[in-house]
Amino acid sequence: QVQLQESGPGLVKPSETLSLTCTVSGGSISINHWSWIRQPPGKGLEWVGYISETGGTSYNPSLKSRVTISKDTSRNHFSLKLTSVTAADTAVYFCASWITGTSAALDWGQGTLVTVSS
Amino acid sequence: QSALTQPASVSGSPGQSITISCTGTSSDIGGYNYVSWYLQHPGKAPKLMIYDVSNRPSGVSNRFSGSKSGNTASLTISGLQAEDEADYYCSSYTSSGTYVFGTGTKVTVL
Repeated sequence: QVQLQESGPGLVKPSETLSLTCTVSGGSISINHWSWIRQPPGKGLEWVGYISETGGTSYNPSLKSRVTISKDTSRNHFSLKLTSVTAADTAVYFCASWITGTSAALDWGQGTLVTVSS
Repeated sequence: QSALTQPASVSGSPGQSITISCTGTSSDIGGYNYVSWYLQHPGKAPKLMIYDVSNRPSGVSNRFSGSKSGNTASLTISGLQAEDEADYYCSSYTSSGTYVFGTGTKVTVL
């Protein structure tokens, strides 16, 4: 089973850039899609985007102008950058592996809370 | 993209069966057999229960089953158990090449 672990600052100031990394063990990020999903406190899940095995990306249209997902195959991790953050971006951010050609987000990280506040 | 519509809550007694609906459009649920369901206990990461409408990952109980008709997908839990009490989310691939989650359903075991 693949294991995923999110890391990054837990507090980001408004208008700054949120940066998170997901380190993958037990599997290679050279296969499958690798996703970010977020969940504001007390609310539902929101798909943020993914990066594919070939490096192609797909983003939530509501976030597309502010989000970038990239990966470092040599370090077996992938990253999320979200620019110009506001309080509405406060959420638990999960990373997950998404099996190519299916609708299955099979393995998830435990999630990390990012708070946007001055 | 708009979130898929789920009932806010569903409840049942132990041993009963319950069904959670997930309604979308022809641009998501109705257009593809890429619907998945996730269970989430408080403070935990979601867990995949069903993928591609009706497939169960290894290790998921056969008490969980999925189906789809038109623009609506459904998750049925049979033989309801106390451990099934959680939030459930559906998800679908969309015609834009993205994914969208449902609004979430809180399942209560009476």
